[in-house]
Amino acid sequence: EVQLVESGGGLVQPGGSLRLSCAASGFTFSDHYMDWVRQAPGEGLEWVGRIRNKADSYTTEYTASVKGRFTISRDDSTNSLYLQMNSLKTEDTAVYYCARVRLGGGYDFDCWGQGTLVTVSS
Amino acid sequence: DIQMTQSPSTLSASVGDRVTITCRASQSIGSWLAWYQQKPGKAPKLLIYKASSLESGVPSRFSGSGSGTEFTLTISSLQPDDFATYYCQQYNSYFLTFGGGTKVEIK
Repeated sequence: EVQLVESGGGLVQPGGSLRLSCAASGFTFSDHYMDWVRQAPGEGLEWVGRIRNKADSYTTEYTASVKGRFTISRDDSTNSLYLQMNSLKTEDTAVYYCARVRLGGGYDFDCWGQGTLVTVSS
Repeated sequence: DIQMTQSPSTLSASVGDRVTITCRASQSIGSWLAWYQQKPGKAPKLLIYKASSLESGVPSRFSGSGSGTEFTLTISSLQPDDFATYYCQQYNSYFLTFGGGTKVEIK
């Protein structure tokens, strides 16, 4: 079964840091680009960023609001995806999903994790 | 960034109704559009990709159409399991954007 499981969410103060993890199973993780998408409470979906696969040099991209504060990385040997979040702001409060980019040339997401809640508050 | 505008934001319908949701892009995105269904407390689920391709396992009552800047998601006969929020997503550029969502409620 294809599965993504996030962990690492929690309560953090403004200016703090948090590292989210996403454990993948049931598919060849190393083949896929992987993204993070977030959803603030009661709001819509917001793309956070992407990491490509080894064939595309593990390049990353980020939405403007997190660039310079968030870093996406991956470990293909352990089928793991990470999101390092620094200098957190209250507006970063959201459920964070890891999502698999479907193979075949597009950037749609054919598998999502269950999400992990990050709350930034003093 | 490419802006995606969905309409309506809320839709009230009955079981068996034909339902259409529209998504408009601020610039042409070709056919690089996906549709997702999300239920409360759950992750989104891919329904349609590349504007009109049905994801494996998704019921055939769901269909997508359009290209360029205007797209539609149609549910041919609404079922009880379809009451949810639907999002479009463009992937014409590396910087992905989602529509604001359409909540389909029971009439």
